[in-house]
Amino acid sequence: GAGVSQSPSNKVTEKGKDVELRCDPISGHTALYWYRQRLGQGLEFLIYFQGNSAPDKSGLPSDRFSAERTGESVSTLTIQRTQQEDSAVYLCASSFTYQPQHFGDGTRLSIL
Amino acid sequence: AQRVTQPEKLLSVFKGAPVELKCNYSYSGSPELFWYVQYSRQRLQLLLRHISRESIKGFTADLNKGETSFHLKKPFAQEEDSAMYYCALSGMDSNYQLIWGAGTKLIIKP
Repeated sequence: GAGVSQSPSNKVTEKGKDVELRCDPISGHTALYWYRQRLGQGLEFLIYFQGNSAPDKSGLPSDRFSAERTGESVSTLTIQRTQQEDSAVYLCASSFTYQPQHFGDGTRLSIL
Repeated sequence: AQRVTQPEKLLSVFKGAPVELKCNYSYSGSPELFWYVQYSRQRLQLLLRHISRESIKGFTADLNKGETSFHLKKPFAQEEDSAMYYCALSGMDSNYQLIWGAGTKLIIKP
């Protein structure tokens, strides 16, 4: 498909484990965004990539969160030593620069 | 401060009634405003943007710079309009990243 693809779609893990979430953006999109959406709440911005660089990491909630992007394509969001408050849907979006964002289906992360 | 406010977390109207989802913003420059929608079990998607001045699925939204609002309206609601609606803005001051409202859940009652 031509849309944004995220994997896994669901992830259940134990508190304290590390998790890695993947985002495949639409081919050619230069900008890539990660958001978090807790149950019943709005979108919380995490990080933004322009190409492979992250000019804005201001939304990462703690140093347990990190993200990288390679080849101006795939991005991974890593959460180390997961906590229960990390449970949420993690959304990825991509776009051409200054154009509307296209979203993936998200990864639903549940921390036991 | 750059901010998008959607004052209603939940809006419930009857089928056939008019709908207005409110969105107010705070921004120093000239923003671009968007409405995104998330239907049940579907991904978040763009509904409309103010520069397009389109009507999508019967919805319209007019940017009112005087009132700093971008309310989403539809004259006759349909059951399939039930969804989560997010207002967002972007502009030079935010490096063209989207600033999001908290969202309004719209329920259309039969």
